[in-house]
Amino acid sequence: QKEVEQNSGPLSVPEGAIASLNCTYSDRVSQSFFWYRQYSGKSPELIMSIYSNGDKEDGRFTAQLNKASQYVSLLIRDSQPSDSATYLCAPSGSARQLTFGSGTQLTVLP
Amino acid sequence: SAVISQKPSRDICQRGTSLTIQCQVDSQVTMMFWYRQQPGQSLTLIATANQGSEATYESGFVIDKFPISRPNLTFSTLTVSNMSPEDSSIYLCSLTRDPQGETQYFGPGTRLLVL
Repeated sequence: QKEVEQNSGPLSVPEGAIASLNCTYSDRVSQSFFWYRQYSGKSPELIMSIYSNGDKEDGRFTAQLNKASQYVSLLIRDSQPSDSATYLCAPSGSARQLTFGSGTQLTVLP
Repeated sequence: SAVISQKPSRDICQRGTSLTIQCQVDSQVTMMFWYRQQPGQSLTLIATANQGSEATYESGFVIDKFPISRPNLTFSTLTVSNMSPEDSSIYLCSLTRDPQGETQYFGPGTRLLVL
């Protein structure tokens, strides 16, 4: 079993829709969770962090965390073509290092 | 976040040679890391660059192949030694300023092609 699993994608949504990105992790010690966005040919860019169970909202982005289920998600409301990118989930591990999932490629169709 | 630069931004190298990648930050940071991202893959941590001491390598990565230096709190280098085509990848440095070393910011990356 992979340490961090993300919905494999690619995921396509129409402009204005909600994009839902999911991530499960195996390390129960993980306390901090990060979502990165990576445009093609660019380096990852931090867009959200979440540390407590529940929801955290930042503009059009909402991160949801359920530590009991070892599940973290990212919702993008009112999706825009500029949101088209690969989204990487990265929980922290027991050694406080980040472990990255394989990513979900999102395409927002105009 | 910090301003992070990497040199070179890209390079094409011959098999058997070595390349040193530089990572410069505009201010002092707690921790610096080196990652590899192979084509179509996610990020894999190579090592944590420790200031004033030897780097801490992850499983599957060794100092002879990927020597790392960190002479001060704003600069680090990664050398890819005795390169083979399998080393073709994007190499990224990242940094953190928080004491837990978790919130990381990435440099622009170095795109390496080994022929």
